[in-house]
Amino acid sequence: DGGITQSPKYLFRKEGQNVTLSCEQNLNHDAMYWYRQDPGQGLRLIYYSQIVNDFQKGDIAEGYSVSREKKESFPLTVTSAQKNPTAFYLCASAFDPRNSPLHFGNGTRLTVT
Amino acid sequence: AQSVTQPDIHITVSEGASLELRCNYSYGATPYLFWYVQSPGQGLQLLLKYFSGDTLVQGIKGFEAEFKRSQSSFNLRKPSVHWSDAAEYFCAVGPGYSTLTFGKGTMLLVSP
Repeated sequence: DGGITQSPKYLFRKEGQNVTLSCEQNLNHDAMYWYRQDPGQGLRLIYYSQIVNDFQKGDIAEGYSVSREKKESFPLTVTSAQKNPTAFYLCASAFDPRNSPLHFGNGTRLTVT
Repeated sequence: AQSVTQPDIHITVSEGASLELRCNYSYGATPYLFWYVQSPGQGLQLLLKYFSGDTLVQGIKGFEAEFKRSQSSFNLRKPSVHWSDAAEYFCAVGPGYSTLTFGKGTMLLVSP
């Protein structure tokens, strides 16, 4: 079955450490996205990529970095510069960023202590 | 700037009763509007979308939504709620399908 895989589902890190969240899709989608979800805050866009080797900042990119070296993969690194990294992170993809709906992964819950 | 307001943080509905979840948006042009549903610890699933045409749109799981430009609203409705509908619902707006702005969500609780 095609889909979006986010791993791991739960991730724990100590403050001051960088951590990378994985997102892989086998849907042959061109566009990929990272959202952050906090309780009562909805989803906020961190980064997105509409094509390999290109990506753009979303609304809350500070303290995060991404890469898009392969079409299937869009890893997100939460750096030590992110002041409040504990959150639920959702990856999404779309076949055509203009004309196709988002498909979401099941998320990674990151806890930093 | 685009924005979405979902005025109700929580709503409790009896099973079998009708449901309406409110969504108001702010957008400078003709918006693309969406409703998504999220079960606990899961990703989001698209219920329905609107970008042109008939202002009453049908979605999956028996949901529908009505676009009212004069009220900048896109309320979600269902005539009879099932216990399995308990989840969090998000309204979203954007210039297309991507780079959406989401509301803060409405948690639906279904009582027996």
